[in-house]
Amino acid sequence: DVKVTQSSRYLVKRTGEKVFLECVQDMDHENMFWYRQDPGLGLRLIYFSYDVKMKEKGDIPEGYSVSREKKERFSLILESASTNQTSMYLCASSSHPGGEGRNIQYFGAGTRLSVL
Amino acid sequence: GQSLEQPSEVTAVEGAIVQINCTYQTSGFYGLSWYQQHDGGAPTFLSYNALDGLEETGRFSSFLSRSDSYGYLLLQELQMKDSASYFCAVKISKAAGNKLTFGGGTRVLVKP
Repeated sequence: DVKVTQSSRYLVKRTGEKVFLECVQDMDHENMFWYRQDPGLGLRLIYFSYDVKMKEKGDIPEGYSVSREKKERFSLILESASTNQTSMYLCASSSHPGGEGRNIQYFGAGTRLSVL
Repeated sequence: GQSLEQPSEVTAVEGAIVQINCTYQTSGFYGLSWYQQHDGGAPTFLSYNALDGLEETGRFSSFLSRSDSYGYLLLQELQMKDSASYFCAVKISKAAGNKLTFGGGTRVLVKP
């Protein structure tokens, strides 16, 4: 079974802190993604990576950065946490079927971050 | 921008049939996926349609009409365990990364 592991289930941080969210996948997937999930807004893509050291902005990258130094690990960084970044953060990974093939994303259980 | 519209909530009784519609307006289209998420859990993949028509997987079916920019997920013989949120998602590019754009989700509540 594919496993995507997020390092923390719950985090509480203070405004202005630097926050690291870690994600590890064990299926040798090329693609990794970070989403935030807020009620009624679905899953919104923050950043994604299709290869080691490669990253691309998603729909809401402001206030976030990412790091992918190894294929299995994708980190989300909040440089200076703010209260509007309180949310559920989901990491996902997928293989890279070219063309029109289906692209199953496998998700971690999520990290609920509260910024006070 | 990209938009996917789906109802926010649906309530039904055990044994009933529920249809969750998804209409999309996106810059590209290479397929429509559906994911299920139980409260406190991770989203999990249910189905994928790249071509028009109906795909059946057990009690769940998914339909796509590319000309209408529309799809739906059909849940049959509803069970209590089907209470969850369901998200439609569009693959908008064949490029590296194969990112998905998700709808806001439909919360399905199954009552006894």
